[in-house]
Amino acid sequence: EDQVTQSPEALRLQEGESSSLNCSYTVSGLRGLFWYRQDPGKGPEFLFTLYSAGEEKEKERLKATLTKKESFLHITAPKPEDSATYLCAVQGVGGGADGLTFGKGTHLIIQP
Amino acid sequence: NAGVTQTPKFRVLKTGQSMTLLCAQDMNHEYMYWYRQDPGMGLRLIHYSVGEGTTAKGEVPDGYNVSRLKKQNFLLGLESAAPSQTSVYFCASSYSGQGGTDTQYFGPGTRLTVL
Repeated sequence: EDQVTQSPEALRLQEGESSSLNCSYTVSGLRGLFWYRQDPGKGPEFLFTLYSAGEEKEKERLKATLTKKESFLHITAPKPEDSATYLCAVQGVGGGADGLTFGKGTHLIIQP
Repeated sequence: NAGVTQTPKFRVLKTGQSMTLLCAQDMNHEYMYWYRQDPGMGLRLIHYSVGEGTTAKGEVPDGYNVSRLKKQNFLLGLESAAPSQTSVYFCASSYSGQGGTDTQYFGPGTRLTVL
């Protein structure tokens, strides 16, 4: 059974204070690891897909990295508008469903 | 493109009532999914469809039925609502799932309360 654990559950940072969010996963053959951003009352918004260990992707102040056991979402010099819940999900090769297995998310607050 | 849309946005039901949630996508995606999101839990897959006329069970299918009569629409039905089905429901779609990895794009959600 695929599993995803995200830490910390919540993180409060000052504007400009860089940090990292962690996503640990177990999966029977990784097809893809996904990062989404979710604002209150909205649906998840796609950020990145990572396919293999060593891969990195960047978008503005966000950088996602992947190893064989975990992924990190690095946030550099965050702004208040980066406040959101960040979701990590995996898609494995096993099982009949092609849905994603999600973690519970990290609730990030950036204070001005 | 509107992307993935869901109707209604909010709904309150009494125990035992039935309803249908509608998901529509205009991206010509083959795969569509229904998830539920509950406090303190990750999104969980209810049912999914790999193409028009096909449906399959996900992780938490009990109490729900689905239909995919048209490629662009995916309906989620609750025949006899229970308080345990109080949740936020999200629909998602992707170009294809099997044999590849395609990004799933999500709708804005339907907040359902069952009293």
